Amino acid sequence: GAVVSQHPSWVICKSGTSVKIECRSLDFQATTMFWYRQFPKQSLMLMATSNEGSKATYEQGVEKDKFLINHASLTLSTLTVTSAHPEDSSFYICSATPGQGGYGYTFGSGTRLTVV
Amino acid sequence: GENVEQHPSTLSVQEGDSAVIKCTYSDSASNYFPWYKQELGKRPQLIIDIRSNVGEKKDQRIAVTLNKTAKHFSLHITETQPEDSAVYFCAARFGNEKLTFGTGTRLTIIP
Repeated sequence: GAVVSQHPSWVICKSGTSVKIECRSLDFQATTMFWYRQFPKQSLMLMATSNEGSKATYEQGVEKDKFLINHASLTLSTLTVTSAHPEDSSFYICSATPGQGGYGYTFGSGTRLTVV
Repeated sequence: GENVEQHPSTLSVQEGDSAVIKCTYSDSASNYFPWYKQELGKRPQLIIDIRSNVGEKKDQRIAVTLNKTAKHFSLHITETQPEDSAVYFCAARFGNEKLTFGTGTRLTIIP
């Protein structure tokens, strides 16, 4: 089946530094990737939608200059949390779909970010 | 904007009994409704899904029903087992591809 690899699985960083999270689709071309954030005991909140080769579309309230998304190829999307602060600590999950109205959504394993 | 409401937020069921979780959505154009099971610190796992042209779908102990007129869909788990304990999320697809998730239901199966 479709597999999405997400790295790192966990990361601890100091306030003010930047962290990059990668998501790769291993056996299919991910036309569209979604980035979610999940706080403890809460639901998945969509942050942004990225399509290969174009700028990401951010949800209302998500700072695009803080959460930089790059979807440079059909198999790789990255989320960079810039100038991280403790309130950015969360579980970040990507999801990929081949697009074209298809129904398959494959999730990465998630990244636990802790900012100290 | 898009909205998916999910109830109840917590549910405790005796082992062997059935569990039902309900969701409502706001956009009548939604066409795809998946259900996910998530264990602590893990990725959501698709357990069943239904498309808007179908009213009901069943896979062994799990079933989903969809009422397009009322804009709600439900997850039914029969003969519950301890391993069914987890957080369950409904979702609805708005527009072409974006999924919006419900608030989640923490299901506890009591042995």
